[in-house]
Amino acid sequence: SQTIHQWPATLVQPVGSPLSLECTVEGTSNPNLYWYRQAAGRGLQLLFYSVGIGQISSEVPQNLSASRPQDRQFILSSKKLLLSDSGFYLCAWRTIRGRTLGYTFGSGTRLTVV
Amino acid sequence: GNSVTQMEGPVTLSEEAFLTINCTYTATGYPSLFWYVQYPGEGLQLLLKATKADDKGSNKGFEATYRKETTSFHLEKGSVQVSDSAVYFCALSGQNSGNTPLVFGKGTRLSVIA
Repeated sequence: SQTIHQWPATLVQPVGSPLSLECTVEGTSNPNLYWYRQAAGRGLQLLFYSVGIGQISSEVPQNLSASRPQDRQFILSSKKLLLSDSGFYLCAWRTIRGRTLGYTFGSGTRLTVV
Repeated sequence: GNSVTQMEGPVTLSEEAFLTINCTYTATGYPSLFWYVQYPGEGLQLLLKATKADDKGSNKGFEATYRKETTSFHLEKGSVQVSDSAVYFCALSGQNSGNTPLVFGKGTRLSVIA
């Protein structure tokens, strides 16, 4: 069966520090991968998505970046965090042919920048 | 482009009340439609889906019917429980979307009181 892992679950980081959030998928190959952010009390904001290794589409080019070094690994990074980067970060995946299947989401990472 | 509009909350209901959360969409052709649920502190879970006109998705007592003529996919439940308190998201996958990400509504927060 397919599973998606996200870590860490909770993170408190000072302003100006770097960030690395990791997401891995098991039980499937060549998935489409997505990073979303959800600010407190707000909806979902698509940050990045990837349809293959090394292929990244940026929806919101802020001080965040994403990379896909392996087929089932998706990493969200920042060199210097801002207070406004606080939020709930969600990774999701979908099969390339899964238009009718929707996404499967990870359990999320709660990031607080202090 | 494709878009989803859902009623903004919060919605507060007493236990055993009837629930309707409205969702309308704009898309060409025949998109696939989804409802996701997000319980406090968790990621999103697929609640139900419908992939063609007049389909009815159902799960855990929730139902939604894909209405092409009114471009709607309203979520209903006959008798809500306190455990249904969550944020509900309507989403769309375009007919010819290929790898294009899902389009989400802004979410509706539901609070059910005993």
